[in-house]
Amino acid sequence: EPEVTQTPSHQVTQMGQEVILRCVPISNHLYFYWYRQILGQKVEFLVSFYNNEISEKSEIFDDQFSVERPDGSNFTLKIRSTKLEDSAMYFCASSESSVIGNEQFFGPGTRLTVL
Amino acid sequence: AQKVTQAQTEISVVEKEDVTLDCVYETRDTTYYLFWYKQPPSGELVFLIRRNSFDEQNEISGRYSWNFQKSTSSFNFTITASQVVDSAVYFCALSERGGSYIPTFGRGTSLIVHP
Repeated sequence: EPEVTQTPSHQVTQMGQEVILRCVPISNHLYFYWYRQILGQKVEFLVSFYNNEISEKSEIFDDQFSVERPDGSNFTLKIRSTKLEDSAMYFCASSESSVIGNEQFFGPGTRLTVL
Repeated sequence: AQKVTQAQTEISVVEKEDVTLDCVYETRDTTYYLFWYKQPPSGELVFLIRRNSFDEQNEISGRYSWNFQKSTSSFNFTITASQVVDSAVYFCALSERGGSYIPTFGRGTSLIVHP
């Protein structure tokens, strides 16, 4: 069964450093998403991406965040200068379409720890 | 105001007990979808069910059942004869046209099933 994969599973970084979180969406999916879950809290939407462009973003997704699809398979989230409060689980998801009720398939997450 | 309210922060039961997880949502859209996800201790998000706003039929899948009531804006989830492996955080989510179809998650209910 196809699945979304994410690497690394856990990343530890120093405050101020840049991190890149990687995702490989399901191959025939066209819509990609990043979500964040601060420990013990709810899952929050960051950004959606389609046709090499951001289609939606939340207020959390500020100038220190960027997304990219550098090739035909990877989808990345870059945090330019990490802050302590960026420590969270980051989930990538993908879907076939963007219509209401579309099922998003989530990856296993990357746990980011900023020291 | 919360779009999705999961009032139960944590529920603790003994194996074989039935347990119901509550979810109350708020939307002005007539077309929307509701979801339940399971997040086991390993951290990944596991899709459980999707229900659209036009389908109020209750659904049963093995030991899991869902009760959707538009009159009370609720989409409750019942686990019958709970097992230790059901221990997880369960999230309810709402996808609505007014929210660009991006799911909004509740804060989750932590279910602990004791042997």
